[in-house]
Amino acid sequence: AQKITQTQPGMFVQEKEAVTLDCTYDTSDPSYGLFWYKQPSSGEMIFLIYQGSYDQQNATEGRYSLNFQKARKSANLVISASQLGDSAMYFCAMREPDMDTGRRALTFGSGTRLQVQP
Amino acid sequence: DAGITQSPRHKVTETGTPVTLRCHQTENHRYMYWYRQDPGHGLRLIHYSYGVKDTDKGEVSDGYSVSRSKTEDFLLTLESATSSQTSVYFCAIRGTTRTEAFFGQGTRLTVV
Repeated sequence: AQKITQTQPGMFVQEKEAVTLDCTYDTSDPSYGLFWYKQPSSGEMIFLIYQGSYDQQNATEGRYSLNFQKARKSANLVISASQLGDSAMYFCAMREPDMDTGRRALTFGSGTRLQVQP
Repeated sequence: DAGITQSPRHKVTETGTPVTLRCHQTENHRYMYWYRQDPGHGLRLIHYSYGVKDTDKGEVSDGYSVSRSKTEDFLLTLESATSSQTSVYFCAIRGTTRTEAFFGQGTRLTVV
């Protein structure tokens, strides 16, 4: 089973509008972390926001917020007031404790390509 | 930023040749990772290291080996490159807090 699912291969949004990028995850561990990364056309991975499974409040970082619904195992990224520079690939990722190996690597979804239109 | 440098940034090589990619970090982090990125798959874990000379396999380790003789360097080797290993390779480190996971700039490898 997929651990991280991003069901939107591509999204369009008008400049200055808000957009939600979907992410659902699958884990049986109560302790985990969820990450969102942005990958512009230049290729680097840019960290956007983090949500811990025990965090009481939804994470926010500037124009980015994470709509964390633990019972539904979803961690959607909301970008408010979209800008042309937001056009990029967006990846959701999860880190589990991985008690057997301790590796705590990130597991990624397949990504959503966001295009912001003027 | 964890001072991660990958080299080379781009490489074209022929099928059957050995290739080594280098990841260098400046901040003494214990855990280092190699991922590959392919369309439709996101990033997938190849190998990781949890200390000097301590390495283990990830989900897509076939055809790859790694070495870590110093804390700061984590090498990924393709013993005999194949066209299926054409990809973008990312090195990453786990930072000191739970929110930290830093990536290098990536290496675009083309096997012809």
